[in-house]
Amino acid sequence: KNEVEQSPQNLTAQEGEFITINCSYSVGISALHWLQQHPGGGIVSLFMLSSGKKKHGRLIATINIQEKHSSLHITASHPRDSAVYICAVRRPQGAQKLVFGQGTRLTINP
Amino acid sequence: DAGVTQSPTHLIKTRGQHVTLRCSPISGHKSVSWYQQVLGQGPQFIFQYYEKEERGRGNFPDRFSARQFPNYSSELNVNALLLGDSALYLCASSLGGTASSGNTIYFGEGSWLTVV
Repeated sequence: KNEVEQSPQNLTAQEGEFITINCSYSVGISALHWLQQHPGGGIVSLFMLSSGKKKHGRLIATINIQEKHSSLHITASHPRDSAVYICAVRRPQGAQKLVFGQGTRLTINP
Repeated sequence: DAGVTQSPTHLIKTRGQHVTLRCSPISGHKSVSWYQQVLGQGPQFIFQYYEKEERGRGNFPDRFSARQFPNYSSELNVNALLLGDSALYLCASSLGGTASSGNTIYFGEGSWLTVV
């Protein structure tokens, strides 16, 4: 079983819909990252969370440490939000190593 | 300021050859990590270097090696290339080097390696 599991693996929605992507992890962490990857390959860091909730524009990320679960929400989705969204956790000890989920491919149709 | 820069962006190698990938971190960042992302999967940790020392190594064979230079740039070397080494190789940099340091991690655009 992977240490980080995301759902759904693929998500297609219409422009304007509210999007939720879920991430569950099974290990202790010092932080959780939400990342966005476009087809060209480059990864952009969206959020780094260790507790609570963060908001940036139309993006909201929440984390529940007790339940080992995080969600990424996109409000008023737009075709330019189409990308792969990846959840990654940072372990509390040792090297600064991220353990990644398999990613969620999001497609927003106009 | 420039972000994390990687070179080359794309390259094709033959089985058995050797490849060197390069990464320049964001100015002031002392930690560089390397990840391998095979098509359709999430990235896998290969190495982390901080202050020119190896701080962590993932589950990769000894064919994979890396180093960090005094200017904090880094090279990833892969010897005796296999078809399965075809992947996107990502470099990430951050200020701090420990797992608990609360620094944002910044990624480069990656180097696409195809082994034929």
